[in-house]
Amino acid sequence: AQSVTQLGSHVSVSEGALVLLRCNYSSSVPPYLFWYVQYPNQGLQLLLKYTSAATLVKGINGFEAEFKKSETSFHLTKPSAHMSDAAEYFCAVTRYSSASKIIFGSGTRLSIRP
Amino acid sequence: DVKVTQSSRYLVKRTGEKVFLECVQDMDHENMFWYRQDPGLGLRLIYFSYDVKMKEKGDIPEGYSVSREKKERFSLILESASTNQTSMYLCASSSGTGGMGGELFFGEGSRLTVL
Repeated sequence: AQSVTQLGSHVSVSEGALVLLRCNYSSSVPPYLFWYVQYPNQGLQLLLKYTSAATLVKGINGFEAEFKKSETSFHLTKPSAHMSDAAEYFCAVTRYSSASKIIFGSGTRLSIRP
Repeated sequence: DVKVTQSSRYLVKRTGEKVFLECVQDMDHENMFWYRQDPGLGLRLIYFSYDVKMKEKGDIPEGYSVSREKKERFSLILESASTNQTSMYLCASSSGTGGMGGELFFGEGSRLTVL
């Protein structure tokens, strides 16, 4: 079975500080991994995805994530937080060809302090 | 610009009422999905459809049904709403290869309150 765990339901950082949102997955075969972002009162949109190409994946808005098989992790980072990054972030995993088998984490709310 | 449109952003219904949530996508996607989003639980799949008139149950189908009569439209139906169905409902679509690292496109959500 596959699963995904996001550590920390709420993360708060100062503007300009490093953003680190943690995601660990469980999958018996190499997975596809995603990060989605949900801004207030909006639906989710794709930030980035890992599909077995480069282990360091760059996404939109300066975010990136690194696939670490040995640690079964796919943490999301951004070097310098901006006020506009305040949102909820979801990690997701699948190892199947069908999008119906995508499993979402419980989400991490990111707050940015001025 | 790609678009998934959910007909109602906010609804308030009474217990026992029949509720329709409508979703339309303009990307000619084969797959459409209904998710439920609750705090601390992430997104849970209710139903999905991979073609017109085709549907499959997701992880939490109890108390819900769906209809897909046209490729662009996917409806979620609560036959008899209950208070434990108060939630945010998200519609999404993807292309035929959506699972192979493909992208889900989401609507803005419908927040349903059942009194």
